[in-house]
Amino acid sequence: DVKVTQSSRYLVKRTGEKVFLECVQDMDHENMFWYRQDPGLGLRLIYFSYDVKMKEKGDIPEGYSVSREKKERFSLILESASTNQTSMYLCASSRRGQKPEAFFGQGTRLTVV
Amino acid sequence: RKEVEQDPGPFNVPEGATVAFNCTYSNSASQSFFWYRQDCRKEPKLLMSVYSSGNEDGRFTAQLNRASQYISLLIRDSKLSDSATYLCVVNLGTGGFKTIFGAGTRLFVKA
Repeated sequence: DVKVTQSSRYLVKRTGEKVFLECVQDMDHENMFWYRQDPGLGLRLIYFSYDVKMKEKGDIPEGYSVSREKKERFSLILESASTNQTSMYLCASSRRGQKPEAFFGQGTRLTVV
Repeated sequence: RKEVEQDPGPFNVPEGATVAFNCTYSNSASQSFFWYRQDCRKEPKLLMSVYSSGNEDGRFTAQLNRASQYISLLIRDSKLSDSATYLCVVNLGTGGFKTIFGAGTRLFVKA
């Protein structure tokens, strides 16, 4: 069974903290993504990676960075958490190809206080 | 203008009804198209891919109109278990690098 695992389901952090969200996939997928999902706005792409050590900005990269040192792991970093980064964060992975179905992790509900 | 636009709903329908969701996309270079389903407090999961010729999977039918940049999903004989948010998804390019999600359409099926 395919699997994308995010390190935490729920996180509460203080403003200004550095926050790490971890995502691991066991499907040997080339592509990995970080989205945030907010009511009425849907899923918005923060960053994606199409290979180890490669990263590309999505639509809303400000305030975030990412790291992909190994193929199976894609980390999202909030350098200095702010209250407007309170959201549901979803990691996904897909195989490179013409019909790239994305598989999602269960999501991390982050609250910044 | 958003790259992928959907009617947010909610759609409230009785069991057994037929319901149609529409989606438009702005980038004519879009390569592949999908419908995902997301249950409350769960992650999105693939419902079906959308092919140019149209495709059917049981009670679900998906259509693509490239000329009008329009995708649809038809659900026949709605079940209570169909209650969910339906996300229209568009992929730019063939590598799957840029996957754009619509904001989703919420469906409530009532007994």
